[in-house]
Amino acid sequence: EVQLLESGGGLAQPGGSLRLSCAASGFTSGSCAMSWVRQAPGRGLEWVSGIGTAGNAYYADSVKGRFTVSRDISRNTLSLEMNSLRAEDTAIYYCAKLHLYSATYYDAWGQGALVTVSS
Amino acid sequence: QSVLTQPPSVSAAPGQKVTISCSGSSSNIGKNSVSWYQQLPGTVPKLLIYENNKRPSGIADRFSGSKSDTSATLGITGLQTGDEADYYCGTWDSTMSVWVFGGGTKLTVL
Repeated sequence: EVQLLESGGGLAQPGGSLRLSCAASGFTSGSCAMSWVRQAPGRGLEWVSGIGTAGNAYYADSVKGRFTVSRDISRNTLSLEMNSLRAEDTAIYYCAKLHLYSATYYDAWGQGALVTVSS
Repeated sequence: QSVLTQPPSVSAAPGQKVTISCSGSSSNIGKNSVSWYQQLPGTVPKLLIYENNKRPSGIADRFSGSKSDTSATLGITGLQTGDEADYYCGTWDSTMSVWVFGGGTKLTVL
């Protein structure tokens, strides 16, 4: 069974940093494109970042230059390093997996990690 | 402002049918397949429709999807109170090289 489990959320001050991790099980995360999707309180889904099977990384304009996505194939984990955090980064961050073959839809989501940016 | 445009809300009575539209452009829906996600209150998003009109195993055939040019539509028939949720469309934008979601549509079953 495919499972995604996020960790590392919490409270950070504006300008601070946090690192999120997503532990994958039931599949080899390196063989699938993966993404981070966030949802601010009471708001809709916002795609944040993605990484392809070749390690190519993509970012939303709102986080470009501040967030870095990476993967550790040996540990089957996906990470999101978040720097220069802003209040508007406050959200639940979901790790999501794109379908193995078509990579055109998210077929698994984690439970989410809450990130709160506040002084 | 989302790249994909959805109505903020739709409503219908139990047993009725509802459609939710998702409007994009030639760089996203016009080039790539659309998927739909259901988010029940307080839960994680769940895949509802993929590749425009396909249903994952376990999704009732009351749910259907279609795509035409730069727009997509989610249809739900035989509405049930358990269908009350937020629905999101999503696809890849080939010009911006980002994944885009619609702003979400809240379905109320009256």
